[in-house]
Amino acid sequence: GESVGLHLPTLSVQEGDNSIINCAYSNSASDYFIWYKQESGKGPQFIIDIRSNMDKRQGQRVTVLLNKTVKHLSLQIAATQPGDSAVYFCAEIYSGGGADGLTFGKGTHLIIQP
Amino acid sequence: EADIYQTPRYLVIGTGKKITLECSQTMGHDKMYWYQQDPGMELHLIHYSYGVNSTEKGDLSSESTVSRIRTEHFPLTLESARPSHTSQYLCASSELNGEKDEQYFGPGTRLTVT
Repeated sequence: GESVGLHLPTLSVQEGDNSIINCAYSNSASDYFIWYKQESGKGPQFIIDIRSNMDKRQGQRVTVLLNKTVKHLSLQIAATQPGDSAVYFCAEIYSGGGADGLTFGKGTHLIIQP
Repeated sequence: EADIYQTPRYLVIGTGKKITLECSQTMGHDKMYWYQQDPGMELHLIHYSYGVNSTEKGDLSSESTVSRIRTEHFPLTLESARPSHTSQYLCASSELNGEKDEQYFGPGTRLTVT
């Protein structure tokens, strides 16, 4: 079936720097994307979402960019803090799917260096 | 923080035992989901429900079963646990006709079958 994947399993950045986490998706019919953050021992936590009719969406310290031409999604975290250390997953939803079509990528482990 | 709860958080059990993983949410959400996640890996949908008396199998085949007798409760049962069932099980819920398809996750149950 269709899948959503991330380019890097691990990303290490210096505290205070900006982080960019990438995701490639394969289902061009997907119409909704979500970034989740999962800390050790916890369930995934919603960070930000974007619909397919948008290219960019900003939240507090986070920005999601969607490039439908190359089916690429990215999460930018500004001024990375120690609390940002976690595994980040992108998730894709195709509203025509059986269970809302929520498909997760493999995850990128963000490590913050002091 | 999402009002969705899972018990137990950790469970170590012997092969052949019957187990039930509990999930409850107090948000009045109609849609509920069960995902299976191996350490550091992506989430895979194993069951979902659109409401009371509705249950469906997800993308990943699972020997577990679910029931939805009450809106707030979505337990998962393994009739005879095996070592291959060792994994983390995450429960989630979302609104049926909300503007957002965001799924709220519980903290997960880490199951080990010896």
